[in-house]
Amino acid sequence: DSGVTQTPKHLITATGQRVTLRCSPRSGDLSVYWYQQSLDQGLQFLIQYYNGEERAKGNILERFSAQQFPDLHSELNLSSLELGDSALYFCASSANYGYTFGSGTRLTVV
Amino acid sequence: GENVEQHPSTLSVQEGDSAVIKCTYSDSASNYFPWYKQELGKRPQLIIDIRSNVGEKKDQRIAVTLNKTAKHFSLHITETQPEDSAVYFCAVNTYFGNEKLTFGTGTRLTIIP
Repeated sequence: DSGVTQTPKHLITATGQRVTLRCSPRSGDLSVYWYQQSLDQGLQFLIQYYNGEERAKGNILERFSAQQFPDLHSELNLSSLELGDSALYFCASSANYGYTFGSGTRLTVV
Repeated sequence: GENVEQHPSTLSVQEGDSAVIKCTYSDSASNYFPWYKQELGKRPQLIIDIRSNVGEKKDQRIAVTLNKTAKHFSLHITETQPEDSAVYFCAVNTYFGNEKLTFGTGTRLTIIP
């Protein structure tokens, strides 16, 4: 157990739908990062939050949004889902150097 | 922004031989260089990291070397074993406090028994 908790582990949904992925960082970590990993692809940075504020934005689609709550957990909202959104979505948290990743949410859009 | 190139994209080595994966980066201010191992369907896990004030770091069969002048760093795995088969990602970070990591594109390492 890495200390970073992601739920749900698996999600199957239809095109056009909306889903919410949840991440609880390690205790004490203020930063949360979201990454998308499509099949056999690298880690594409989506967005970072630090202590409730958006800190950095990557290649995040307008259909996607995120937030970090006062208790530091974060949610990634994906809407108007398309087949191409099927991927593993990882959350990571950090205190200083380096990341600890959660186990990911595997999203399948059918 | 930071650009990280990783080579090779795939690598097959005989069990017991050594494997070397290389990354180059663009931002001379980068000062933290971790390596992650990702097994199929699992989360990336940190295996070793190095900071810019150090040229080499070893942990049993794994070592990382850093050449700041040339802006490249490498992962060395010696006496490879079947369980070393995985995808390896390098990353760089410019630390001013909780900065995001920029990842390389990954190397799929296969150890041939």
